[in-house]
Amino acid sequence: DAGVIQSPRHEVTEMGQEVTLRCKPISGHNSLFWYRQTMMRGLELLIYFNNNVPIDDSGMPEDRFSAKMPNASFSTLKIQPSEPRDSAVYFCASSQQGALGKAFFGQGTRLTVV
Amino acid sequence: DQQVKQNSPSLSVQEGRISILNCDYTNSMFDYFLWYKKYPAEGPTFLISISSIKDKNEDGRFTVFLNKSAKHLSLHIVPSQPGDSAVYFCAASAGNQFYFGTGTSLTVIP
Repeated sequence: DAGVIQSPRHEVTEMGQEVTLRCKPISGHNSLFWYRQTMMRGLELLIYFNNNVPIDDSGMPEDRFSAKMPNASFSTLKIQPSEPRDSAVYFCASSQQGALGKAFFGQGTRLTVV
Repeated sequence: DQQVKQNSPSLSVQEGRISILNCDYTNSMFDYFLWYKKYPAEGPTFLISISSIKDKNEDGRFTVFLNKSAKHLSLHIVPSQPGDSAVYFCAASAGNQFYFGTGTSLTVIP
């Protein structure tokens, strides 16, 4: 398996623009997580899906952030409009529920909003 | 509020010595704990875990200790190797949600 695949690896955008991050989880995994890594908060859970259904989005910082999982093999995290303080590395992870909680991470998307 | 805390942002250890990374948590509902290792420009990778019913789990050079009464866990690496230099994240799980600490950057000096 190729693991969790995220795209793009790097994104530079201007403030106010819409940004869409993409994730393909590991086949067969039914849980998907979006995390944001910052120096201050480490790996911060933004939202968690189980069987394509959002279970907990309490970590989503503002209404500017939204996430979807239209099917078991694809998820998006959208920021509209983007702001400089959104600059961070965004990770997607997936796991198989019941597999003792081990999550596998993608390589991340480094977002820079200028 | 940060439910999982790693109070040491960095640690330097001589090669061959023991590295001890610490982690504290606040939520007594957490029942599973994990350590992840992260190299620059890569995603975190799973290293070792421990269930709340245990107080120790060992895997080669890596041992995780759990003190439930203190809500504290630690990762011991012995002997430390230069390739262990990375950022280590502690994580705690309740159900199928994971909460991570801010990470500790370990540098093993040859």
